[in-house]
Amino acid sequence: DAKTTQPPSMDCAEGRAANLPCNHSTISGNEYVYWYRQIHSQGPQYIIHGLKNNETNEMASLIITEDRKSSTLILPHATLRDTAVYYCIVRGGSQGNLIFGKGTKLSVKP
Amino acid sequence: KAGVTQTPRYLIKTRGQQVTLSCSPISGHRSVSWYQQTPGQGLQFLFEYFSETQRNKGNFPGRFSGRQFSNSRSEMNVSTLELGDSALYLCASRRGRADTQYFGPGTRLTVL
Repeated sequence: DAKTTQPPSMDCAEGRAANLPCNHSTISGNEYVYWYRQIHSQGPQYIIHGLKNNETNEMASLIITEDRKSSTLILPHATLRDTAVYYCIVRGGSQGNLIFGKGTKLSVKP
Repeated sequence: KAGVTQTPRYLIKTRGQQVTLSCSPISGHRSVSWYQQTPGQGLQFLFEYFSETQRNKGNFPGRFSGRQFSNSRSEMNVSTLELGDSALYLCASRRGRADTQYFGPGTRLTVL
């Protein structure tokens, strides 16, 4: 079973920041938090991952709480093309597979 | 750098037939994993190959099998197709087992 809990859906206005929360209260010390997104019927796209420090790349920022029990993915200026299902996944360093939950369906509206 | 490629992109088969799907990983990636995505069960892990050896396997019947070649390309085979095998089959590759997985576009299989 997935080790994360995400809201099933969220809306965001175009141009505003989208903040997607994820709870992972049973995360272990050597497990990373990964974020992927899947636009309808395409393969999941890697966004970002982190262990305990906040991370930023050209797509998004990842904020992980100090106790590591939750995190937030931030899309700073959402566009219509960011409409997708976003998956938060906890994965150990040498774990073979990703365990996907149901994710959050983000709808960006004009 | 080219991404993960999967062929064919779409496939229609009938019950009882078998099918082979192909995946070419990103250059330099030695691990290939396969996933099945259906509306009811979501994304589920099938198996992973690393350096031609199956390293991990999900909870799927023996009709689902795979292999990896020396150039890291991988194939998965489904024998005696059932209607419930209709799904999007996704392949993902990574350089090493601790690295990030990158997904291909998937093969949409329809079983009639």
